[in-house]
Amino acid sequence: DAGITQSPRYKITETGRQVTLMCHQTWSHSYMFWYRQDLGHGLRLIYYSAAADITDKGEVPDGYVVSRSKTENFPLTLESATRSQTSVYFCASSVIPGTGNSPLHFGNGTRLTVT
Amino acid sequence: AQKITQTQPGMFVQEKEAVTLDCTYDTSDPSYGLFWYKQPSSGEMIFLIYQGSYDQQNATEGRYSLNFQKARKSANLVISASQLGDSAMYFCAMRENSGGSNYKLTFGKGTLLTVNP
Repeated sequence: DAGITQSPRYKITETGRQVTLMCHQTWSHSYMFWYRQDLGHGLRLIYYSAAADITDKGEVPDGYVVSRSKTENFPLTLESATRSQTSVYFCASSVIPGTGNSPLHFGNGTRLTVT
Repeated sequence: AQKITQTQPGMFVQEKEAVTLDCTYDTSDPSYGLFWYKQPSSGEMIFLIYQGSYDQQNATEGRYSLNFQKARKSANLVISASQLGDSAMYFCAMRENSGGSNYKLTFGKGTLLTVNP
């Protein structure tokens, strides 16, 4: 089915470990985004990508790395996980936004716990 | 300064009544878009409604309408005839279309709506 898929849905890891969250979309949307959701903060942008091989930092990029070698995939890597990175992570995609209605389409999220 | 402010952490409404969720925004960009998303307890983010800054009429989508007051920089969501399934977290978001923002959405902190039977 067409859509945006995140994996895993749940992940528990230890402080200092590297962990990668996967995101795959089947719409061929140019834009992809990673947000984290924390109580009291809403959703905050970590990284985004306008196209394959084009990525840029968002509001809270420290401690994260992204890549986008293919349009459909946008993995997020925590190089050395910290407890402050315990959060729910959402991947999203959208068509090339113009002046019209171009909402983000979200995956179901990954709940990450760093112990 | 926050770009999106949702001043109501929680709201309660009786089933079948209407409810307004507040959202104010801050931007100097003349071209922008405003979005509302719903997040039920299952966690997914569901797009509800969109309003463009140049749109002359308030957006409507079924039971959802957006009360857009440009001069006051407010974009309140109105849900008519509330249903139990409307109980969820609601997020207001803004996309600024110029100035190098690259079309990112900035979200408010959300309002938790509870519909009582």
